[in-house]
Amino acid sequence: EVQLVESGGGLVQPGGSLRLSCAASGFSFSIYSMNWVRQAPGKGLEWISYITSSGTTIYYGDSVKGRFTISRDNAENSLYLQMNSLTAEDTAVYYCARSVRGVPDYWGLGTLVTVSS
Amino acid sequence: DIQMTQSPSSLSASVGDRVTITCRASQDIGNDLGWYQQKPGKAPKRLISAASSLQNGVPSRFSGSGSGTEFTLTISSLQPEDFATYYCLQLNTFPRTFGQGTKVEIK
Repeated sequence: EVQLVESGGGLVQPGGSLRLSCAASGFSFSIYSMNWVRQAPGKGLEWISYITSSGTTIYYGDSVKGRFTISRDNAENSLYLQMNSLTAEDTAVYYCARSVRGVPDYWGLGTLVTVSS
Repeated sequence: DIQMTQSPSSLSASVGDRVTITCRASQDIGNDLGWYQQKPGKAPKRLISAASSLQNGVPSRFSGSGSGTEFTLTISSLQPEDFATYYCLQLNTFPRTFGQGTKVEIK
């Protein structure tokens, strides 16, 4: 069974940093591209980042470019999102999602990040 | 960036109704479009990819159509478990972009 479990969320002050993790199991993590998608409270979905299976190609959404860094460790079956210079607008549930032929299919349950003083 | 305009933002319908949701892309995306269903407090669930390809296990009352810039998600006979929010997602270029969502509520 495909499972994606996000962790690392929590309360952080404006300007602070946080590192999210996504633990993958039930599939061959190393051959799949992965995404991070977020959802602010009561708002819609926002795609924020993508990384290919090898980690050699990476894309970011405009709202996080230069502040967030996606990475992966295929030996550990894990995906990461390093988030710096956080603002209140980054408050959201953050989901990791597997991609199949570019299409996000399985999603984790998400981890909540709250940016507040 | 490609903008995805989804309409309506919400609708009220009864069980058994036919429901249609539309997504319009700001430029030609071919058939590179997916549809997702999200229930409160849950992760999104993929319904359709490549504009019209139904995912395994998704009921046949769901269908997708369109290409280029105009896409439609249709629920042929709304069931109680279909009350949720639906999103389109363009998969043609990066950055990926979602529509704003359509909340389907009980009339």
